[in-house]
Amino acid sequence: DTAVSQTPKYLVTQMGNDKSIKCEQNLGHDTMYWYKQDSKKFLKIMFSYNNKELIINETVPNRFSPKSPDKAHLNLHINSLELGDSAVYFCASSQLDRGNGYTFGSGTRLTVV
Amino acid sequence: GENVEQHPSTLSVQEGDSAVIKCTYSDSASNYFPWYKQELGKRPQLIIDIRSNVGEKKDQRIAVTLNKTAKHFSLHITETQPEDSAVYFCAAKRDRGSTLGRLYFGRGTQLTVWP
Repeated sequence: DTAVSQTPKYLVTQMGNDKSIKCEQNLGHDTMYWYKQDSKKFLKIMFSYNNKELIINETVPNRFSPKSPDKAHLNLHINSLELGDSAVYFCASSQLDRGNGYTFGSGTRLTVV
Repeated sequence: GENVEQHPSTLSVQEGDSAVIKCTYSDSASNYFPWYKQELGKRPQLIIDIRSNVGEKKDQRIAVTLNKTAKHFSLHITETQPEDSAVYFCAAKRDRGSTLGRLYFGRGTQLTVWP
């Protein structure tokens, strides 16, 4: 019973392609996040949705577009992939009013060649 | 917004020794401070957390201390074991205001425990 699940786990694609990563959580949390972790391990927030509403939108190229069809799902679509997009992308979830930490998904390792 | 700084970036210790990782934060309104452990190829996982109304918290071999006045908090691991080797992240957040719910992460500490 995985709490936060992401698919796919690995994604290898060519420059210029468009790809999507999906995330689902079964914790009943109301908030979901996308983080990018680069080769230096820094966790950089990209987006956050609370009850399907975008609440955090960091300085991210507009090639990245998140979508939250409901509060249990958060997807990330990336257009025109570039070499610099290669990273591990983590989805996470939390309950905003509970003042606790996040639960992370297992990550998607994206490699752009 | 909040700025969390973490030191050192790498730490090597002998098995059985103690390890200490330190973080500072800038926003005096931050009131929740979790620590995450990320093993190689795995997800970050919460290992311990502390709230601003508490000065210290322990869980077996790990402990966290918080100094609200100085705005710093630390992770202490005693009797280290090779399986403690991982990247550790500190984080801070506030329960109110425009950054409600957002965790600000430090840049991580790579801990290596040598047998």
